[in-house]
Amino acid sequence: GQNIDQPTEMTATEGAIVQINCTYQTSGFNGLFWYQQHAGEAPTFLSYNVLDGLEEKGRFSSFLSRSKGYSYLLLKELQMKDSASYLCAVIPPYGGATNKLIFGTGTLLAVQP
Amino acid sequence: ETGVTQTPRHLVMGMTNKKSLKCEQHLGHNAMYWYKQSAKKPLELMFVYSLEERVENNSVPSRFSPECPNSSHLFLHLHTLQPEDSALYLCASSQDSSGRYNEQFFGPGTRLTVL
Repeated sequence: GQNIDQPTEMTATEGAIVQINCTYQTSGFNGLFWYQQHAGEAPTFLSYNVLDGLEEKGRFSSFLSRSKGYSYLLLKELQMKDSASYLCAVIPPYGGATNKLIFGTGTLLAVQP
Repeated sequence: ETGVTQTPRHLVMGMTNKKSLKCEQHLGHNAMYWYKQSAKKPLELMFVYSLEERVENNSVPSRFSPECPNSSHLFLHLHTLQPEDSALYLCASSQDSSGRYNEQFFGPGTRLTVL
């Protein structure tokens, strides 16, 4: 089966650091995406991890541990505009004809002054 | 702007109506997708098209009928919907439909309410 877990909501303070966790149980794995979605807008790509370790991109970093079925998104120097939903999505085993993403429910992050 | 547009942005329809959602991508991609996003639920893949051919139909009821006349346009035709079909319908595109790494670009979605 396929299962992806994320916290439903998180709150953090402007200027702080927040870590959003994602755990997955899937029958195989071919990569993990993080997307950001502001209310009423399209999800936008943040990061892609397929190998273990940390990928850094400006204020955002994403970490993956394949052996633990675990990823996190780290947001530094939080800004009010970072208030959004953060979606974790896993690519199941390649072998089908489609680039099928399995999404978690998303974590709604509220950044407070 | 992600290069994927959707119209209308909001739609209210009765259960006996027929309506269509439209998606257009300006990225030169070969694959297009329809997703359903309901409150408190994960994004659910509905359909995948690759080079105008449907390659995935994720057990979607027949009251949802997709159409892909060319690689830039994707439609979702709706008829005799149920109130539980009310959701945000998102379109996405990617360079190809298969491959280990293929970022999907999403449109802003159509907020559908079925009365």
